[in-house]
Amino acid sequence: GAGVSQTPSNKVTEKGKYVELRCDPISGHTALYWYRQSLGQGPEFLIYFQGTGAADDSGLPNDRFFAVRPEGSVSTLKIQRTERGDSAVYLCASSLRGAESPLHFGNGTRLTVT
Amino acid sequence: RKEVEQDPGPFNVPEGATVAFNCTYSNSASQSFFWYRQDCRKEPKLLMSVYSSGNEDGRFTAQLNRASQYISLLIRDSKLSDSATYLCVVNAPTGANNLFFGTGTRLTVIP
Repeated sequence: GAGVSQTPSNKVTEKGKYVELRCDPISGHTALYWYRQSLGQGPEFLIYFQGTGAADDSGLPNDRFFAVRPEGSVSTLKIQRTERGDSAVYLCASSLRGAESPLHFGNGTRLTVT
Repeated sequence: RKEVEQDPGPFNVPEGATVAFNCTYSNSASQSFFWYRQDCRKEPKLLMSVYSSGNEDGRFTAQLNRASQYISLLIRDSKLSDSATYLCVVNAPTGANNLFFGTGTRLTVIP
């Protein structure tokens, strides 16, 4: 079946601009995670949704970052006033039930802020 | 203190060698443990879950030591195709029960 889909695969934007990154999880997966990964590092937790609600947003680095999942399926990660330090690969993952189920990752969105 | 800590390596081993990685976690109430594999410029993929009694999948063996709060991954008879970064993943049961990754351990198997 279809896996986790992330769009765009690459995004180049200028410092100060607004970007939206989209994640389409596996159908039926209630849990959705956003991670950010920089070169040579492991994925850094950003936010976790269980259904429509953000169960844990403690990983969002500051208030420029926001994510939604209005219908409990597709999620959008929004970054305002982008900074060069936001450049990374943004990974989305979904799982059937949450932490006790394995994560299935999308291919990621490579964000470059110039 | 980080939720999950790993030795980043790199580990360079000859083909056929046995290699082991450890990972420590900070929350004694954690219940879910996994090893993921990540190839260069690819997304992480589940390698195996780690069960309390330990588990084996072919050449791979995972162990959990709750008393010392670490998990391990043993790879026997290393293949060139095992070259990758191995990520330790642990749940954080306080709050929303989400999942945290270690920084990963880089393995290169040399012919």
